[in-house]
Amino acid sequence: AQTVTQSQPEMSVQEAETVTLSCTYDTSESNYYLFWYKQPPSRQMILVIRQEAYKQQNATENRFSVNFQKAAKSFSLKISDSQLGDTAMYFCAFMKRNTGNQFYFGTGTSLTVIP
Amino acid sequence: NAGVTQTPKFRILKIGQSMTLQCAQDMNHNYMYWYRQDPGMGLKLIYYSVGAGITDKGEVPNGYNVSRSTTEDFPLRLELAAPSQTSVYFCASSGKSEYGTDTQYFGPGTRLTVL
Repeated sequence: AQTVTQSQPEMSVQEAETVTLSCTYDTSESNYYLFWYKQPPSRQMILVIRQEAYKQQNATENRFSVNFQKAAKSFSLKISDSQLGDTAMYFCAFMKRNTGNQFYFGTGTSLTVIP
Repeated sequence: NAGVTQTPKFRILKIGQSMTLQCAQDMNHNYMYWYRQDPGMGLKLIYYSVGAGITDKGEVPNGYNVSRSTTEDFPLRLELAAPSQTSVYFCASSGKSEYGTDTQYFGPGTRLTVL
């Protein structure tokens, strides 16, 4: 089974500052995808960013970017210019390409943006 | 385009009662999933389906059943509710989208309490 580890249960950042959330995973697969999802207090799961393992270039989406280190099996999320609306739980997820495309989630990091 | 919808939003069950959690998507996605999220934890896969008439077990299938008679609907059945099934249940789907066929889109969740 695949495992996803988020070692930071809680983090905080000042508004407009930058924060990095860590994620490591364990797999023997070569064809997989990695995701960061955001879960605000509304509980809705919202896609933040995705990364294909075969791509060396790190994915970016506006203020969100990742540092994907395939050999180290590390997939951290950097949030620049933090905003109050970024306050949420952030989940790292691993998906291996197979018939079901099953996802495996970490336990989450609770991020609070301080005004 | 409503995306993924779930009903009900909240439900309280007594031990031993049965119920069906409804999930529907209008994006013509082939893949659908059911997850549960326990307090302070990530999401764990209960069952998934790769198309109408095809279902398979995930990590935590015990105590649940599913069926997939149409592309749009993927109900989750609890036959004999137990306190251990108190959780938030999320339905998700994936298919062709601007992000590719691998990104999962989530419903708003159903909060179930078994007393």
